[in-house]
Amino acid sequence: GNSVTQMEGPVTLSEEAFLTINCTYTATGYPSLFWYVQYPGEGLQLLLKATKADDKGSNKGFEATYRKETTSFHLEKGSVQVSDSAVYFCAFDYKLSFGAGTTVTVRA
Amino acid sequence: KAGVTQTPRYLIKTRGQQVTLSCSPISGHRSVSWYQQTPGQGLQFLFEYFSETQRNKGNFPGRFSGRQFSNSRSEMNVSTLELGDSALYLCASSRRGGEDYGYTFGSGTRLTVV
Repeated sequence: GNSVTQMEGPVTLSEEAFLTINCTYTATGYPSLFWYVQYPGEGLQLLLKATKADDKGSNKGFEATYRKETTSFHLEKGSVQVSDSAVYFCAFDYKLSFGAGTTVTVRA
Repeated sequence: KAGVTQTPRYLIKTRGQQVTLSCSPISGHRSVSWYQQTPGQGLQFLFEYFSETQRNKGNFPGRFSGRQFSNSRSEMNVSTLELGDSALYLCASSRRGGEDYGYTFGSGTRLTVV
């Protein structure tokens, strides 16, 4: 069936380190793909999206490319900050299915 | 413009009671979806309403129900509350279904069942 699988956390990094969170999906057709972020005590915010193969979504220094051949949408950021500490969710638009979430903690 | 508004923010109920949560979407958004978030199960889809009709439904028991009004505001009801219903309930709105513009989430209602 349709599902999203993302890298389990938690992930702990130092400031300015490189971040990658893996996400793969199983779906019929070509869904739109999203990354959402949830900061402590808040609801989810859309971080970036891609609606077709080879699209690259980007926002706040984060990037993710829609790879049809590997059914993946990995999230990357070249230099993380303490303020990037949050839970990150990969999702696609079948009932807006979410991955389990990856908790990222960035230490100064 | 105003975001998605969920009320109340916090709620404490007793087992066996029923509860109604409210969600006001962004103006112009016609799709409203509900999610349950718990530490153990993550984010689980409850249902989606579009133009007052339930368009999609997740795998929750019939105790969980919802509706949408003509102004797109939505309510979610849980009857005969169980301890396991304690969770953060999130509402999300979008123009049509989120695939083009993404979904905007409210801050959630934290329900505690004692």
